Formats: sequence, C-alpha cells, structure tokens
Amino acid sequence: KNQVEQSPQSLIILEGKNCTLQCNYTVSPFSNLRWYKQDTGRGPVSLTIMTFSENTKSNGRYTATLDADTKQSSLHITASQLSDSASYICVVSLLNTPLVFGKGTRLSVIA
Amino acid sequence: GAGVSQSPSNKVTEKGKDVELRCDPISGHTALYWYRQSLGQGLEFLIYFQGNSAPDKSGLPSDRFSAERTGGSVSTLTIQRTQQEDSAVYLCASSLIPAGVGELFFGEGSRLTVL
Repeated sequence: KNQVEQSPQSLIILEGKNCTLQCNYTVSPFSNLRWYKQDTGRGPVSLTIMTFSENTKSNGRYTATLDADTKQSSLHITASQLSDSASYICVVSLLNTPLVFGKGTRLSVIA
Repeated sequence: GAGVSQSPSNKVTEKGKDVELRCDPISGHTALYWYRQSLGQGLEFLIYFQGNSAPDKSGLPSDRFSAERTGGSVSTLTIQRTQQEDSAVYLCASSLIPAGVGELFFGEGSRLTVL
C-alpha cells in the first residue's frame, strides 16, 4: 500500500531556532516528492519539488533532502520565524495517479 | 484568474440538504483535483479531471458525491443528502499538466459544516 508517514506529529520551537521534519514513504514507483506549507484556514502552498535524482533543494530558509534508497525525506527550517507556524505536508507522487499525502507536521514557533 | 478560486468559503447546512461547492481553476490549467481535509487529518483524494472528463473518480466516498467540470474550466462538487460526517474542508487544486509531474496549486478551500 502506498503510504507517507510524517514525524513528529507536532512540534513547538522557539523563534530563531532550527528544526527538521521527517517524511518516510513506501510509494513505488516514485516520481517526485513535494513539501507543502499549509497555514491555518488556508490552502497548501508548495515549498519544494524533488525528483528521485535530486538529493537536496532549497527555498530560502527551507531545505529539503531526499534519499530515494531509504525512501526518506526531511525538511529543515533555519532560523525559524513566527510566520513559519503552520502544517508542513509531505506529498509523494507516482506518474498519472493521485498524489499520496502525509498527515502533516504541525509546527508552532513561539517567541 | 491569478489563483484557484473556491466558493463559498464557508457553508453551514442542515443534515439532509444538498450542497454545491464551486472551483474556478487557474486559466489554462487542464487538470483539476478535489480533496477533502477533515480536522487534524491529511488530504483525502476525491476526484480528478483532465479537461472535462474524470479519469479517476476512485476517491468519491459514496454515491451522494458527484462532480462535474464544464468547458474545461469551472468545476462543481455536489453533495446530496448531507451527513454530519461530510463536515470538512473541501480543497480544489489545478495544474497545467497532470499533477504527477506538474506543480499543483490549491485554492483556499470551502469549509462545510453539517449540523
């Protein structure tokens, strides 16, 4: 069964600190992996998309890594800001089939 | 439009009533998706349109749910005889090419509350 598991389920960090979110998947064959940010009451917004041949991709303070051999990805947030408080969703896709969404990690950044 | 537009943003209805949710995708995007997000849960796939046809309806939870897309643009998700378990945020997304490859853009969602 194609699954995407994210950890931790929730996380609280102090403003200015770094954090890393994890994503493990069993989706096969694998096309690409995406990370989305979803603010409360809003639709998800794309942060990164990586194909199986990419190991890392950055978008400002967000850096995603991918290990296609172990089927693991991480999202690292540097120098967190209050506006980073959101749910971060890992999404894995196969070609021409529905995307497989993780349940997300709820991040709270506090002052 | 500049982004995916959904309406209504909030809908409160009584059990047993029918509701229609509308999605206006980004102009030119041929692929359109409906997802459902219950409180604290991940996104649940409902249906996918490529143009006006729906090659994948596998996610519709029951025959009370239906969707159509006309003119390769606006889509309507209809829920008949609503039940309390239908309460959720219904998200629409569109992409220029099938989302297995293409970037997926989401609307802000329609929050449905069934009393």
